[in-house]
Amino acid sequence: GENVEQHPSTLSVQEGDSAVIKCTYSDSASNYFPWYKQELGKGPQLIIDIRSNVGEKKDQRIAVTLNKTAKHFSLHITETQPEDSAVYFCAASPGSGTYKYIFGTGTRLKVLA
Amino acid sequence: GAGVSQSPSNKVTEKGKDVELRCDPISGHTALYWYRQSLGQGLEFLIYFQGNSAPDKSGLPSDRFSAERTGGSVSTLTIQRTQQEDSAVYLCASSLRGVGGNQPQHFGDGTRLSIL
Repeated sequence: GENVEQHPSTLSVQEGDSAVIKCTYSDSASNYFPWYKQELGKGPQLIIDIRSNVGEKKDQRIAVTLNKTAKHFSLHITETQPEDSAVYFCAASPGSGTYKYIFGTGTRLKVLA
Repeated sequence: GAGVSQSPSNKVTEKGKDVELRCDPISGHTALYWYRQSLGQGLEFLIYFQGNSAPDKSGLPSDRFSAERTGGSVSTLTIQRTQQEDSAVYLCASSLRGVGGNQPQHFGDGTRLSIL
């Protein structure tokens, strides 16, 4: 079945620096890739998503890139701020005939002031 | 507009008791999902509803777990004879469509369940 690996599990960056989180998926039929941010005591919040017909998508300080050949996608956060500190999850949706997300194991990001 | 609403936000109960967790999805969302998240862990899929039907219950850990959805809206997850290993955060999500949609899933803030 589909498997999603996420790295690193923890990441500490200085405020203002960039942060990159990478995910690799196994099912080449996957065509939708959302990213979620989860703050303490809250549910995961969708922050950006990308579909397989697009290589990159940006929303202000957040960007996601997708390499279908290598089957990996990455989240890039530029000019990090303390409020970016949270756990980030990637997910892959294995094809249009299914509803199920396969989630990565999460990355705990700490932005040091 | 209103997001996914879950209640209660916290629930503490004794081992062996039954608990009911409630989820109010975003209005108009036909697909609804339950997940479980143990402390510091990822998301474990439990069950998926399309309308009032549950075509995929494959993630329910045991027959002590059941869920229903009525009116294509509110869903209830019931855990009977709770065990300590049931302690976790139970998250509900909804999306506009399920199969064929690749629609974003929107999550509630979860119910934190603690079994004493």
